[in-house]
Amino acid sequence: DAGVTQSPTHLIKTRGQQVTLRCSPKSGHDTVSWYQQALGQGPQFIFQYYEEEERQRGNFPDRFSGHQFPNYSSELNVNALLLGDSALYLCASSARDRDDTGELFFGEGSRLTVL
Amino acid sequence: GNSVTQMEGPVTLSEEAFLTINCTYTATGYPSLFWYVQYPGEGLQLLLKATKADDKGSNKGFEATYRKETTSFHLEKGSVQVSDSAVYFCALSDQGGNKLVFGAGTILRVKS
Repeated sequence: DAGVTQSPTHLIKTRGQQVTLRCSPKSGHDTVSWYQQALGQGPQFIFQYYEEEERQRGNFPDRFSGHQFPNYSSELNVNALLLGDSALYLCASSARDRDDTGELFFGEGSRLTVL
Repeated sequence: GNSVTQMEGPVTLSEEAFLTINCTYTATGYPSLFWYVQYPGEGLQLLLKATKADDKGSNKGFEATYRKETTSFHLEKGSVQVSDSAVYFCALSDQGGNKLVFGAGTILRVKS
């Protein structure tokens, strides 16, 4: 049973560029959430997708956008990159209708460095 | 809003020592509580969870009890190993379980 997979694992961009990160949820999961983890900090919630729609959003600017596909996979897009966007981006999946405890399964993350 | 506060690290222990990592929370309603662990270079893994007051979550020798009266969920282990060296995050489920709110994390270093 494949867990949550993310790509790419590492990438380097320059200020002002755009980046797309990808995530495939754990088999049987239909909900995907994205978190940003800055160095030395806990993960911060960016947004969550369910049924191909953004359902909830954290305190992140509109430069951060996402998408969910019919197969439940998801993308995170960040435009006009800033140095402060350098972080580990974590994707997490869950099964909305089968678990209301809030447990999430995380991928290993995509480490973004903005120069 | 909801929040989680963890004891600051790093926590450095010798092998077989007793571990406590403190975690307190502020929340409306009745959130579920979690401990996640992050090993070097890896993503977060669920260590244990508790979904209601007085529940005790346990896994791999780690335990934590959901204390509503003290709004706490302290992580304990009776005898740590070098392989337990990692970053530990306390978290609560927010808004009906749709998202997690994490603490800042506590680095644990276990020396042989």
